[in-house]
Amino acid sequence: NAGVTQTPKFQVLKTGQSMTLQCAQDMNHEYMSWYRQDPGMGLRLIHYSVGAGITDQGEVPNGYNVSRSTTEDFPLRLLSAAPSQTSVYFCASSYSMGAQFFGPGTRLTVL
Amino acid sequence: AQSVTQLDSQVPVFEEAPVELRCNYSSSVSVYLFWYVQYPNQGLQLLLKYLSGSTLVKGINGFEAEFNKSQTSFHLRKPSVHISDTAEYFCAVIRMDTGRRALTFGSGTRLQVQP
Repeated sequence: NAGVTQTPKFQVLKTGQSMTLQCAQDMNHEYMSWYRQDPGMGLRLIHYSVGAGITDQGEVPNGYNVSRSTTEDFPLRLLSAAPSQTSVYFCASSYSMGAQFFGPGTRLTVL
Repeated sequence: AQSVTQLDSQVPVFEEAPVELRCNYSSSVSVYLFWYVQYPNQGLQLLLKYLSGSTLVKGINGFEAEFNKSQTSFHLRKPSVHISDTAEYFCAVIRMDTGRRALTFGSGTRLQVQP
């Protein structure tokens, strides 16, 4: 099993550009989520999904969209990138109230 | 609302010394508790979790944590650290009263093990 994979690993955008961060898991987990990590703030939840076709907002959803058309994939879309979205983004998945498995992260810089 | 406080942003310690990383949480409902470790330029890895049962929880790499309900704490301990334990450690909680599995994280503690 590859676990949770994320692409790209690094990305540089200009203000106003859009892009999609990809996340996939091969563990048949029903729950998936996106977090952003900023220095001194831990990780904060952006959006999450409890199954295909079901998504909901987390703590910091503004400027981001998600969809969940399949169990495996949970892409995160930045509609119009802003410098405040410079961060490291982590995708995670879980099958129960136990462990969440994290991907390796995407480091995004918005100029 | 719930919040997680990690009282120390950095903890320097010598190799083979014991260490305790502190975590306190506030929540109006019962929570599940977790500790994650993040090595440089990597994702997060689960160290241990408390869901129910014994309040002393043992995890990977020789770490353990004790859930103290009265003090709303979940401190992480290791009796003898190694250089390889140098990493950032995050405490996190999940509310028990909903099916939402969203983790609320503390701000992290950077453990620096010195030779």
